[in-house]
Amino acid sequence: LAKTTQPISMDSYEGQEVNITCSHNNIATNDYITWYQQFPSQGPRFIIQGYKTKVTNEVASLFIPADRKSSTLSLPRVSLSDTAVYYCLVGDDPIYGGSQGNLIFGKGTKLSVKP
Amino acid sequence: DTEVTQTPKHLVMGMTNKKSLKCEQHMGHRAMYWYKQKAKKPPELMFVYSYEKLSINESVPSRFSPECPNSSLLNLHLHALQPEDSALYLCASSRRDNEQFFGPGTRLTVL
Repeated sequence: LAKTTQPISMDSYEGQEVNITCSHNNIATNDYITWYQQFPSQGPRFIIQGYKTKVTNEVASLFIPADRKSSTLSLPRVSLSDTAVYYCLVGDDPIYGGSQGNLIFGKGTKLSVKP
Repeated sequence: DTEVTQTPKHLVMGMTNKKSLKCEQHMGHRAMYWYKQKAKKPPELMFVYSYEKLSINESVPSRFSPECPNSSLLNLHLHALQPEDSALYLCASSRRDNEQFFGPGTRLTVL
């Protein structure tokens, strides 16, 4: 399993861009990177997924350098409602013979957005 | 329908009780999962069902018994639980690309 390392916590202010970096030095060739957001007492919610370079959707961007040993989740102009725990997962599809990395949650990053 | 539903939302049970948690999805996903989450900790994988067959069991005690009656339903049968089993139990489902859709969870308290 590709182990992931994230900062335990981050603080930001409303309207700022937040970048959360995840290190995954032993990522495998077939692994992809998935980020989830979780609010207290709710299930995690998928944010974004990528394999290389840059992926963007309506809520976030994911930057992955060429060596794929890290990735950065970028949240543009955060609001108070973005206060949550963000998890980075790395793995292949375990249902079809891949690793279980995409099913194993690390400690995550607790993002606190202040007014 | 793009959601995973879980019932009940809250459950309080004694150590001698038998109860079941239910999870349902109608997105055509063929993989379904049970996770356990203690307060201020990340979700821990318990079981994975793929095409209605148990494919992963993360060394979960036998007092937790999963069941997948069909491709839309996933149950977790509980028997003789301990107070330390109190937690939020999350169900999820996924397509092949493994983007997981999580339910809201069942908050379980064992007295």
